[in-house]
Amino acid sequence: QITLKESGPTLVRPTQTLTLTCTFSGFSFTTSGVGVGWVRQPPGKALEWIALIYWNDDKRYSPSLESRLTITKDTSKNQVVLTMTNMDPVDKGTYYCARFSSWTNFFDYWGQGTLVTVSS
Amino acid sequence: NFMLTQPHSVSESPGKTVTISCTRSSGSIGSYFVHWYQQRPGSGPTTVIHGNNQRPSGVPDRFSGSIDSSSNSASLTISGLRTEDEADYYCQSYELNNQVFGGGTKLTVL
Repeated sequence: QITLKESGPTLVRPTQTLTLTCTFSGFSFTTSGVGVGWVRQPPGKALEWIALIYWNDDKRYSPSLESRLTITKDTSKNQVVLTMTNMDPVDKGTYYCARFSSWTNFFDYWGQGTLVTVSS
Repeated sequence: NFMLTQPHSVSESPGKTVTISCTRSSGSIGSYFVHWYQQRPGSGPTTVIHGNNQRPSGVPDRFSGSIDSSSNSASLTISGLRTEDEADYYCQSYELNNQVFGGGTKLTVL
């Protein structure tokens, strides 16, 4: 059974850095083709892809957010960490992590999401 | 960068068939797989179609996907509509290493 779960702060202050952790089970980065990505969703709005990390440690970022993002993985812990700097109230939303199949470029399993609010 | 454009909302009656479109702004629709996700209120997304027309196990065959090169668009068709199909639906595709989601379509089954 494949599961993913996001964890991190529910509230961050403007200009602070957000750090989110995705802990997963049922698959491993030792498998070729596996990736884990982050997707966010502002309240009442559409999904937006943020970042991806692949089994071979290749990393990809949304062009609109790239300067603020870092994604890393810990293969032994089955975890992926996303950091986003200089948080702003417009960054409020639910942040999802999801397993990514690099062979067909889609997110096949999703976490439940974690709501992040940016407010002073 | 390209965009995927979906209708904001569609509605149809139970038992009927509905089609949701997803139009790619640049780049050939046939060159990159299109995937579809369902998001029910208060829940995370789940995949209903991947690889243009492949259904994951557990997704009923009432759901089907297709692409149309002439209109540079993809479509999700749901037949035999049920009330539980009421949800938001998102298409997703990519270019190089940029993943893009459509703006989402709210399906109302009334």
